[in-house]
Amino acid sequence: DIQMTQSPSSLSASVGDRVTFTCRASQSISNYLNWYQQKPGKAPKLLIYGASSLVSGVPSRFSGSGSGTDFTLTISSLQPEDFATYFCQQSYSYPLTFGGGANLEIK
Amino acid sequence: EVQLVESGGGFVQSGGSLRLSCAASGFTFIRYDMNWVRQAPGKGLEWVSVMSGSGGNTYYADSVKGRFTISRDNSKNTLYLQMNSLRAEDTAVYYCAKYGTGSYAPFDYWGQGTLVTVSS
Repeated sequence: DIQMTQSPSSLSASVGDRVTFTCRASQSISNYLNWYQQKPGKAPKLLIYGASSLVSGVPSRFSGSGSGTDFTLTISSLQPEDFATYFCQQSYSYPLTFGGGANLEIK
Repeated sequence: EVQLVESGGGFVQSGGSLRLSCAASGFTFIRYDMNWVRQAPGKGLEWVSVMSGSGGNTYYADSVKGRFTISRDNSKNTLYLQMNSLRAEDTAVYYCAKYGTGSYAPFDYWGQGTLVTVSS
């Protein structure tokens, strides 16, 4: 199974900050990497697929990059609605696996 | 508008069974592989199972293999998850999730989830 490791697991930041989350796969997954945002009590929401393709309607302050085993999700200028938990997920092979999540909190 | 609505969750004793349903609308159901993903209280996401649009192919997480069965009724636009021999560690919110188009197969739409609580 492919293990997905996210870092940091939690982050405190302020509105307007630039933040970056990292996701590392235990083996190469090319660019079969997706990012989701989840708010408390809600279902996850797809933000980025294929490592760097932004879902229609998602603000352009979100961006993704990487290939192989190392990936990043960057939020260029935090907005109040961005405080949430972020998960990466590999869609390279079954069983599909998620990272442990990264909780973004208001400083 | 795509909608996925789960039902069938509830409280069950260890060793018991439960069947979850996911009613889909707003898209051509048979064209898409469908998944179940779960989330234990306060924990991360765990993929559970997938079934192809035609129903011919299925995959399961090792943690549920042999106990859970995914199925679908394309005439009713409904996905199911039959859960047998339930354990305390199966306690979670269960989401059905649709695959998006293209090769990267992200989960582009999710239901609101249904809570399954297994008492030991």
